[in-house]
Amino acid sequence: QSVLTQPPSASGTPGQRVTISCSGANSNIGSDYVQWYQQLPGSAPKLLIYRNDQRPSGVPDRFSGSKSGTSASLAISGLRSDDEAHYYCASWDDSLTGNFVFGTGTKVTVL
Amino acid sequence: QVTLRESAPALVKPTETLTLTCSLSGFSLNTDGMCVTWIRQPPGKALEWLALLDWDDDEYYNSSLMARLTISKDTSKNQVVLKMTNMDPKDTATYYCVRARGSYDSTGYKSPGEWYFDLWGRGMLVTVSS
Repeated sequence: QSVLTQPPSASGTPGQRVTISCSGANSNIGSDYVQWYQQLPGSAPKLLIYRNDQRPSGVPDRFSGSKSGTSASLAISGLRSDDEAHYYCASWDDSLTGNFVFGTGTKVTVL
Repeated sequence: QVTLRESAPALVKPTETLTLTCSLSGFSLNTDGMCVTWIRQPPGKALEWLALLDWDDDEYYNSSLMARLTISKDTSKNQVVLKMTNMDPKDTATYYCVRARGSYDSTGYKSPGEWYFDLWGRGMLVTVSS
């Protein structure tokens, strides 16, 4: 069972801005970096955001990440049909023995 | 070109040991900051981190699966191997080999909080069934 909670779904029309939340705790988001991964249907995940708000080379600036306290957010602006995918947040959790944890995942639908 | 390619049996029986092999191309685990990790995804479910091997040969494991996992490398073949013992039908999943990046934090400590997973293999579906 994941310790990072995301809404199961989000949607928007082409061109809109969609925001996905990721709720954690002091032992994970509150004290460590957050990453975001995009998983297109039938494909392996892809790194979208690392170190809270950094984009790897090749990721469009339509994708942006932020963190505040024990929560993080991924924003997708100028929504496109090929943004339809599952999105996962992730972070290291310092509690007890420590674990790298993923969020529950959010399915973004482009209407 | 940097790639990772997983290989494993597609079907294993309950109680057997699963051996997953990741063949690396275009980078070396001996380079500072380079790591390889394994992540799995049961059908229709979320991602689950399993284990990581870093450039110093330090091993990190999911605490709930630690007793069943062993990660290692074969430098001569540029491969990373994950063994998972006592397989169960609940372990049916797509297993991904992933390049990870690590670094030292501001105090000089090699912190797992610095990890991020920047290049994923295509994944290998492993089914556990008798």
